[in-house]
Amino acid sequence: QQQVKQSPQSLIVQKGGISIINCAYENTAFDYFPWYQQFPGKGPALLIAIRPDVSEKKEGRFTISFNKSAKQFSLHIMDSQPGDSATYFCAASMVNGGYQKVTFGTGTKLQVIP
Amino acid sequence: ETGVTQSPTHLIKTRGQQVTLRCSSQSGHNTVSWYQQALGQGPQFIFQYYREEENGRGNFPPRFSGLQFPNYSSELNVNALELDDSALYLCASSSAGGVTDTQYFGPGTRLTVL
Repeated sequence: QQQVKQSPQSLIVQKGGISIINCAYENTAFDYFPWYQQFPGKGPALLIAIRPDVSEKKEGRFTISFNKSAKQFSLHIMDSQPGDSATYFCAASMVNGGYQKVTFGTGTKLQVIP
Repeated sequence: ETGVTQSPTHLIKTRGQQVTLRCSSQSGHNTVSWYQQALGQGPQFIFQYYREEENGRGNFPPRFSGLQFPNYSSELNVNALELDDSALYLCASSSAGGVTDTQYFGPGTRLTVL
């Protein structure tokens, strides 16, 4: 059962544009929502994360918007750059029986064209 | 500070064989999680080890097993390999495994089962 749905599957944005990736979750027990960035041949790396009691978090060009009632959250990349071209995963985390369980979305492949 | 390392980088096995993958956690981390990432998908949680004990498991059969050693490095063992086991296997280390603890991923081991 997929508990974190992510869209779109792929995204092409021009340099300087805004990239938007959306995610939705089902289990209200999730209480931490990280975003990961993965380059080819590398493991995922934490980009930015948010707790559900916060509606927005901004770090540089990256912003998470969180809607707890709708169980949805999104990543906005402002002024997108070719170096941002990577696969992005949203995730949802909870402590389940004493361990941290992280559930990932299916990923969005972002291509930023000059 | 040394990051998470994994070995080998690539591995080719035939159906029915057994495989052992290795992971060295980041310095100071006592928790290791293993994930399976099929092509074009997000990582799927296999299990987590904390201080040498398995303390959480995802929906994977018992032929997926692991170990964590006193230095917190870890092994993932897969018996009776099936074609569907072909994937990128990622390990991630963290401190204590709390819900907001960042998981630091290694580059993964690419397993191909023929």
